[in-house]
Amino acid sequence: GENVEQHPSTLSVQEGDSAVIKCTYSDSASNYFPWYKQELGKRPQLIIDIRSNVGEKKDQRIAVTLNKTAKHFSLHITETQPEDSAVYFCAASEPGTASKLTFGTGTRLQVTL
Amino acid sequence: NAGVMQNPRHLVRRRGQEARLRCSPMKGHSHVYWYRQLPEEGLKFMVYLQKENIIDESGMPKERFSAEFPKEGPSILRIQQVVRGDSAAYFCASSRQGKDTEAFFGQGTRLTVV
Repeated sequence: GENVEQHPSTLSVQEGDSAVIKCTYSDSASNYFPWYKQELGKRPQLIIDIRSNVGEKKDQRIAVTLNKTAKHFSLHITETQPEDSAVYFCAASEPGTASKLTFGTGTRLQVTL
Repeated sequence: NAGVMQNPRHLVRRRGQEARLRCSPMKGHSHVYWYRQLPEEGLKFMVYLQKENIIDESGMPKERFSAEFPKEGPSILRIQQVVRGDSAAYFCASSRQGKDTEAFFGQGTRLTVV
């Protein structure tokens, strides 16, 4: 089955700096890669996703890149703000099962003033 | 359009009791997924259901856990004879019928076994 690894487990940046979180996956058949933000005690919320026919996708301050050959994908947050502080999870799924996700272990992002 | 609704939000059970967790998918969604999140960990897939069918239960523990999604009513995740290790947040997600559609998560049920 699919295995997703995520690094780093914790990340502290100053407000205004960029944050990068990296994930690798094992199943070359996976073709859907969402990123979720989870605040303490709340549900995971989808913030951006990318499919395997696309190498990069951007939404305002958030971007995701995908390297299918190397089987890794990354989340980039620019101009970080205190409200970006949360736990971020990457995930991967196989064709036809976009909602059966294998999650990474999470990155706790702390944006300091 | 209401989101995925889970209840209860918090559930406390004594060891050996049964826990029933409910999930009502978003309107128009016919696929339901249950995930478990242990403290300080990521979400682990448990089971995938469509109406009246279990499609994939590869993540379900072999004993004490069961799930259903009846023709009418919410999906139910049932845990019999709970143990302290069952304490976790249980999240339900739903998606529309069809392939490769994104999932929307409910607020979760936080189960505490005392």
